[in-house]
Amino acid sequence: IQLTQSPSSLSASVGDRVTITCRASQGISSYLAWYQQKPGKAPKLLIYAASTLQSGVPSRFSGSTSGTDFTLTISSLQPEDFATYYCQQLSSFPLTFGPGTKVDIK
Amino acid sequence: EVLLVESGGTLIQPGGSLRLSCAASGFTFSGYSLNWVRQAPGKGLEWVAHSSSSGRTIYYADSVQGRFTISRDNAKNSLHLQMDSLRDEDTALYYCARSYCTGGVCYMDNWGQGTLVTVSS
Repeated sequence: IQLTQSPSSLSASVGDRVTITCRASQGISSYLAWYQQKPGKAPKLLIYAASTLQSGVPSRFSGSTSGTDFTLTISSLQPEDFATYYCQQLSSFPLTFGPGTKVDIK
Repeated sequence: EVLLVESGGTLIQPGGSLRLSCAASGFTFSGYSLNWVRQAPGKGLEWVAHSSSSGRTIYYADSVQGRFTISRDNAKNSLHLQMDSLRDEDTALYYCARSYCTGGVCYMDNWGQGTLVTVSS
């Protein structure tokens, strides 16, 4: 199962609403997770089951799904949110990640 | 606190072998599936291998099938990755990641800091 992400990168300002899309090449139900990775750090789980917020993750992060399209939304971008975001499908093996979306400062 | 600490990464020549380890603590190791995920320098994440909690069910990425072997020792709370016939393209930071499954949904909820493998002559 292939995952594509759009955009591959974006520039945004603090306070902006940011939306990242992940599209699966076939149906994966809600078996999708979103991770945040900052430079030099391990990935951090943000959302699982497409829309369930991991414990401790700020509520400005949210996930949604429509068919094979999945969306990660940051409602009001904060300075600590500048990072690369990856989606991952856990519907079947081999597990796959999207190519990532880099969010940087405008 | 869940802790995953990888070790064993080093510089190695193409064709060589290497064994990575992941030492776990802070949770009941035998109750969780585990994965190896790698990241080549400046690139994205690539899932490498998965072991069920018992070690009886194993999966590999096509890119490493037949060359890498995942194993675990539940008595020692450790996960391993035996890497043989290494290639330049295996150069990456290798992460150990725990799978948490609930209600039939699984995800990688805890990650180590990674160990760097460099394959070069």
